Amino acid sequence: DQQVKQNSPSLSVQEGRISILNCDYTNSMFDYFLWYKKYPAEGPTFLISISSIKDKNEDGRFTVFLNKSAKHLSLHIVPSQPGDSAVYFCAASFWGSARQLTFGSGTQLTVLP
Amino acid sequence: DGGITQSPKYLFRKEGQNVTLSCEQNLNHDAMYWYRQDPGQGLRLIYYSQIVNDFQKGDIAEGYSVSREKKESFPLTVTSAQKNPTAFYLCASSQSGGIGTDTQYFGPGTRLTVL
Repeated sequence: DQQVKQNSPSLSVQEGRISILNCDYTNSMFDYFLWYKKYPAEGPTFLISISSIKDKNEDGRFTVFLNKSAKHLSLHIVPSQPGDSAVYFCAASFWGSARQLTFGSGTQLTVLP
Repeated sequence: DGGITQSPKYLFRKEGQNVTLSCEQNLNHDAMYWYRQDPGQGLRLIYYSQIVNDFQKGDIAEGYSVSREKKESFPLTVTSAQKNPTAFYLCASSQSGGIGTDTQYFGPGTRLTVL
């Protein structure tokens, strides 16, 4: 049972445009959500997070939106750059689970020059 | 220069042999984690430890063992009982492992190939 789902395995965007990566979850106990960026054969790099008490968090070109009623979060990257091309994972955790992360299966973002 | 180190980057072993993957952190983090990634999949939790001398099984602990004798170190042993050991293994650490919201930071990973 996948508790965190990223239904789009891949996404291609033109340089300078907006990239929107989506993530859905089923466990209503999740209260902290994170996005990681990963290159092949490397460890994931933390990008941005959001607590369930918020519905938006922004950090430079990256913004994460959380819709608790829909159990949906999204990562917006504006403007997209070729260096953003990577696999993006969303992850979720809840208090009381030692903050174990449950990961989605990832979305490969390709930013075309 | 703080961070998480994993060694080696690539590891080859014969079927039936145990192998130990190293993970060291100098971030003074209390919690450490081991994940496994298979092609086209997300990361899955193997074991985690919130404090020294204590650790808990994750979702896929069968065929693996760990120890946490020092705060900085959390080695993972892949035993011969693990049916599909070939994978990319990632170690992570976080400040408190459960108190408040906590972000995990990852090492560079070890690619294990069992021949």
